Order: sequence, then structure tokens, then C-alpha cells
Amino acid sequence: DGGITQSPKYLFRKEGQNVTLSCEQNLNHDAMYWYRQDPGQGLRLIYYSQIVNDFQKGDIAEGYSVSREKKESFPLTVTSAQKNPTAFYLCASSVLRTGGEWNEQFFGPGTRLTVL
Amino acid sequence: SQQGEEDPQALSIQEGENATMNCSYKTSINNLQWYRQNSGRGLVHLILIRSNEREKHSGRLRVTLDTSKKSSSLLITASRAADTASYFCATERGNKLVFGAGTILRVKS
Repeated sequence: DGGITQSPKYLFRKEGQNVTLSCEQNLNHDAMYWYRQDPGQGLRLIYYSQIVNDFQKGDIAEGYSVSREKKESFPLTVTSAQKNPTAFYLCASSVLRTGGEWNEQFFGPGTRLTVL
Repeated sequence: SQQGEEDPQALSIQEGENATMNCSYKTSINNLQWYRQNSGRGLVHLILIRSNEREKHSGRLRVTLDTSKKSSSLLITASRAADTASYFCATERGNKLVFGAGTILRVKS
């Protein structure tokens, strides 16, 4: 059963804590992405990775960190430096761009993070 | 600012009616994609239309692209209650895929 999974579904964080959101895919995709979604808004790109051991900042990378040690996994850490982390976090994967064209992205079910 | 922007922001229709959503973008693109998001879930890819295509169909979905006006429309025919969701267009901006704020569609049964 191919797909992309995220865990946990709900996560609660106290102020000053770091938390890590998990994202795993078995689609053999090279590219993986993390997005943040706030109520009534579109998705904003946090980080993306096109190959193992390499990743790039998106539009709102401050206060977040990622790693890409395995092709299948792209965990996101929300650090205490992120001032307003309460949001819905979505992970996605895709094959690499071909001929300059962006391909379909496959999304996980999301993690809802709430700061207490 | 967003590369793609959908309108209307929200749309409420009766089951069986057609729903049309529009997306405008600012810079030239290779393709434009439409996604659906059910409440509290991840996005699901619906359809991709390339810049050299004017219209594409998938089941009850019809997407058009007008590159001269930098706009696209998504038509859902014979809507069902299960079509209730948010719909997003996604376009390229530099080396990123950028999503609009979405149209919230409510289909009343």
C-alpha cells in the first residue's frame, strides 16, 4: 500500500519546547516538502529536499529545521524559536521536476500542532 | 504574494448544480495543477493542465487554461455532497510550486 504517512495526527507543545513531526513515504520519490497551513489560507512552503542529505529553505523556514538522512524520511522539527507554531502541517512528496515542469505532489494526512 | 489566487473565496450550491472556480496567476507557467482538500485532511491532486493545452477533462471535472489572460477555471458538473471541500490551484514561482488560498465549496443536499 503505497503512500505518505505523517505522525502524530495531533501534537501539543508547551512553550519553549522543540517538537519533531514525522513524515515517511514509500513511493520512491526523490523530492519531499513541508508546508504550513493556517486557517483560511493556502499552503506556505517551509523546507524542501530533492535528494538525500540536501534540503533548501522555503518561504517561512525561520524557527524550523529538517533532515533528510534517508530517501523515505523527512522529519520536521519545530523549534522554540518559532514564535507562532500553532498550525496544520502537511508533508508531500513527488518525483523530481522533469523538463522544467513541476509534477503532481502526493500529500500526507497532516499533523495539527497546538501550543499550550 | 501568492502566484495563484482563486475566486470566489467560498461557494455554496445545491446538489446537482455545477460549480465553477477560477484561478489567476501572475507569471508564465509550464503547467497549472488543481487540488482538493477535505476538512482536516491532506490535499489530493485532481488534474494537471499544461501551458499548451486549453482544456482537460477528468470524470465530472473540466479544467480550462487561458495563458493570454493568465487564468484557469475548474468546473465540477452535477455536484454531489461529497464534493464539499476546499479547492486549490498550484502554479510555479521560480523553483517552487505555490498554492493559492483556495475556494471553499459547499454542496447542500
